[in-house]
Amino acid sequence: QKEVEQDPGPLSVPEGAIVSLNCTYSNSAFQYFMWYRQYSRKGPELLMYTYSSGNKEDGRFTAQVDKSSKYISLFIRDSQPSDSATYLCAMSARVSGANSKLTFGKGITLSVRP
Amino acid sequence: DARVTQTPRHKVTEMGQEVTMRCQPILGHNTVFWYRQTMMQGLELLAYFRNRAPLDDSGMPKDRFSAEMPDATLATLKIQPSEPRDSAVYFCASGSGQGGTDTQYFGPGTRLTVL
Repeated sequence: QKEVEQDPGPLSVPEGAIVSLNCTYSNSAFQYFMWYRQYSRKGPELLMYTYSSGNKEDGRFTAQVDKSSKYISLFIRDSQPSDSATYLCAMSARVSGANSKLTFGKGITLSVRP
Repeated sequence: DARVTQTPRHKVTEMGQEVTMRCQPILGHNTVFWYRQTMMQGLELLAYFRNRAPLDDSGMPKDRFSAEMPDATLATLKIQPSEPRDSAVYFCASGSGQGGTDTQYFGPGTRLTVL
């Protein structure tokens, strides 16, 4: 079993739909949770960053972490065609002031139909 | 607008040839990561450096891959000899560890095809 599992997709939704993307993990040392967005033929870019359990909202995006269940989610409200991309969850067990290595999920490709 | 740059953007080569990929991290970032991305495996960490010192290269096939940071502005990933199974997109990312985050800034990638 991989340390981080992500729903494989692909996922296709109509414009305006609410999208839910999920990851599970097995390493209880993970404390920092991120979602990266990757457009076709581009590098991933950070979308959301959360620490420990709880919710974080940024515009149409909400990141949710449930450490007791080892489960994280990204919700996209009022999805737009411009949200069409691959979404990767990532996690780290960072303990110092420098970058720790991230463990990524395989990514799920989202397509939002106009 | 500070960005990670990678060269070349595309590389097609024949099996057995040497391939060198280069990365210029964002100025001031002290941590550099090399990843490989394929459809089957997703994004895999190959190696990373902090303050130019290698910290972890356990994800890299040691017999054919090597990674170095000759100076703070250049990281290299070399494959010798290359094999068709090395065909993938190779990403470099850098980070500063500042602001209490682990944000990594990715370059545009090098798309490698080994025939």
